Parts: sequence; structure tokens; C-alpha cells
Amino acid sequence: KAGVTQTPRYLIKTRGQQVTLSCSPISGHRSVSWYQQTPGQGLQFLFEYFSETQRNKGNFPGRFSGRQFSNSRSEMNVSTLELGDSALYLCASRGSMVLQETQYFGPGTRLLVL
Amino acid sequence: KNEVEQSPQNLTAQEGEFITINCSYSVGISALHWLQQHPGGGIVSLFMLSSGKKKHGRLIATINIQEKHSSLHITASHPRDSAVYICARGGFGNEKLTFGTGTRLTIIP
Repeated sequence: KAGVTQTPRYLIKTRGQQVTLSCSPISGHRSVSWYQQTPGQGLQFLFEYFSETQRNKGNFPGRFSGRQFSNSRSEMNVSTLELGDSALYLCASRGSMVLQETQYFGPGTRLLVL
Repeated sequence: KNEVEQSPQNLTAQEGEFITINCSYSVGISALHWLQQHPGGGIVSLFMLSSGKKKHGRLIATINIQEKHSSLHITASHPRDSAVYICARGGFGNEKLTFGTGTRLTIIP
């Protein structure tokens, strides 16, 4: 099976712009989670989608949003970018939210906000 | 205080040494995860455990539920084991993953 893919891999934006990142889960996986990783805060949970519904949300401002499509692909959007949004954004997929299943991580999108 | 604490933050060892990385958590868990992150960012899930011990090749993960403590051991360490190792709690059902700050391991040939 193909792994989790994320596009784009690298992105440079300026303050005030908005950005959309995409994640395609492993085939058959219905859950997609998003994480932000920065040197200062480490890895932090953003949100999780399952069957097109947001099931859980981390402590991030409303500028961070996401959605999931019927084919389980997910996008996250960050509006009004701030310098502090520069980070590695990772998504991960798993097959179920009921069973204890391993999450499979994508390679990440590295966002730089200037 | 972070919900998940790891030690040490940095660890340098010679090839062949036995490595131990520790993880303590303050809140009861549904599952404890050990992740490996190589330079470049990609994360691989090594173990998910809620009790006892798991082994995969040279890697062993243990957990003590009563003491809220988990360890990751690497036997016969190799330079390719050099990476950041991250423990995380949760991730079962609706429970979000909460991460430790990571341990940067460097194995010198």
C-alpha cells in the first residue's frame, strides 16, 4: 500500500496570507489527524477527522481549520498567517477510531512564514 | 508541568551500547506510543502499548501502568539508530495524542 502523502512538501508564505495543505491517507484509512511541530513547542495536536467529521480539536486559534472529503483526503487551512505559524505540519492516518491502531505519519509540509 | 516528560533530552553513545530512554506521564493512559523521527522530519511509529512489554528487532518497549512510566531500550545500538525518539500518550478513540519533548539520540561509530 502507498503511504500517507502530503502536498506540498515545502511552502513559503508571507504574513497575512492564507495557506492550504493537503493530506492523502493510506488507502482504506478513514481517520486523518493533523499535527504542528515547532522547535519551541514540539509536536502538538491540531485536529482529527473521521468520516468527514471533526472528532477532536487541539488548542489552536480559529485561524486553523480543516476538512475531510468523502475519499478520506483531508486539507487544513491556516488564514492570516503569522510568523509563529512557521512549522512542520504533519498528518497521520489510521483505519479506525475504535480499535487501538497505529497512526501512520506522512512526510510533512514545511511552512515558512516571512 | 507537561503531561508527558522524557529523559534524557540528549544522549550520545558509542556503537554497540545499550540505550534506555525514559518517559513518564502524569495522567492515566489508554495507550503509550513510541515514535522515531529522523532528520528531514518523517515520523515512524515504533510501538503502541498499554501494558507489559513489546519487542521488535533490537528495540524493546516496556510500560509500568502503576508507576506511569515507560522505557524504550535499544540493544546493540548502531549509527542508523541516530534519531529523535518521542513518546506520546493517548490516541485511542477520541483521545488526542499528547507528546513528550523528544530525546535526541546520537550513536557514534
